[in-house]
Amino acid sequence: DQQVKQNSPSLSVQEGRISILNCDYTNSMFDYFLWYKKYPAEGPTFLISISSIKDKNEDGRFTVFLNKSAKHLSLHIVPSQPGDSAVYFCAASVDNYGQNFVFGPGTRLSVLP
Amino acid sequence: EAQVTQNPRYLITVTGKKLTVTCSQNMNHEYMSWYRQDPGLGLRQIYYSMNVEVTDKGDVPEGYKVSRKEKRNFPLILESPSPNQTSLYFCASSPTAGTNEQFFGPGTRLTVL
Repeated sequence: DQQVKQNSPSLSVQEGRISILNCDYTNSMFDYFLWYKKYPAEGPTFLISISSIKDKNEDGRFTVFLNKSAKHLSLHIVPSQPGDSAVYFCAASVDNYGQNFVFGPGTRLSVLP
Repeated sequence: EAQVTQNPRYLITVTGKKLTVTCSQNMNHEYMSWYRQDPGLGLRQIYYSMNVEVTDKGDVPEGYKVSRKEKRNFPLILESPSPNQTSLYFCASSPTAGTNEQFFGPGTRLTVL
């Protein structure tokens, strides 16, 4: 049973528009959430994170929203660029020290020029 | 250049033939971890290490061993590989376990026939 779910395997967005990637989790003990981006033939790279004490974190074009009551987080990319085309993984920390990480299955984002 | 390196990048082997995938980081990070990525399942943590001589199981440790004799190296050992260990493997590191941003290696694609 997956504790971190990304129900959309793929998403296509027009360049300049907003991309919204969603993530749901089942374990209420998760207290830290991260998004990673992965290009083909490369390892994932860290994008943005959010602590459970916040409901929003912003970094340039990337914003992550956390809704604890719904156990849902989302990543917004505005404006989307062709270079954003990648697989995006949502991840969650199980404990305070982030020793054990649980990743979702990923969403493949395609930004069309 | 700060990086996590893995060797080999590609490996085809046969069932039962012991193999080791090396992982090395040059950032003096305390925390290192191994993941496997399978279609539809995202990244699943195999083992992690908080520091030298300190290792612990992740979510899918069966069939794997690790060691952490030096801070920079964290090899993944498959004593008797089986076809269900065919996967894409990633090593990652971070300054400490509490620092949740992990730096990933480029991946090792393993095929067990």
